[in-house]
Amino acid sequence: AQSVTQLDSQVPVFEEAPVELRCNYSSSVSVYLFWYVQYPNQGLQLLLKYLSGSTLVESINGFEAEFNKSQTSFHLRKPSVHISDTAEYFCAVSAFSNTGKLIFGQGTTLQVKP
Amino acid sequence: GAVVSQHPSWVICKSGTSVKIECRSLDFQATTMFWYRQFPKQSLMLMATSNEGSKATYEQGVEKDKFLINHASLTLSTLTVTSAHPEDSSFYICSARGLNTEAFFGQGTRLTVV
Repeated sequence: AQSVTQLDSQVPVFEEAPVELRCNYSSSVSVYLFWYVQYPNQGLQLLLKYLSGSTLVESINGFEAEFNKSQTSFHLRKPSVHISDTAEYFCAVSAFSNTGKLIFGQGTTLQVKP
Repeated sequence: GAVVSQHPSWVICKSGTSVKIECRSLDFQATTMFWYRQFPKQSLMLMATSNEGSKATYEQGVEKDKFLINHASLTLSTLTVTSAHPEDSSFYICSARGLNTEAFFGQGTRLTVV
């Protein structure tokens, strides 16, 4: 079984400041890792994913996450946030053997202030 | 990425009635579909996994007679909330996966039972 822990329920930050949203996971099998973003009353949008290869993955809008196997972490970072980044962010894992079946963390609300 | 369409995006129904939510994969064949439920300010919880042509597999604690899932074709799965009650009010999200692909999410359906 897998589980995901997002260590911060809310992260307030000022515009143009850097931010890190933390995610730790536990699993007895190899997993894929994902970050999703959700805007109010909308579905999930995939932000980035780690499947294999380079442990540092990047999104098109400036976010990046690094897979750290020894620390079982997949923290999300952005060097300079915008007001439009205000949203709910979910970290998720799926087992190699059952891709698509996602186990989500509790979510982190990123609040970007002007 | 692939497109998954969920309909309706929101629905209000009277207590005791049934509501059907559709999840369609528009440009790929979805061999597996997943249904999630999200309460306000909470994470997504997997309700069930459905494979085309087979009975759905429900997660522990999810009433299969309450939440009927049908996956009759490779592009359509439906979730029917039977005899809905106010406590069934929630945000329901589907995702769909093809062979050897990751899962893609629908936009979600906001169900309000009055």
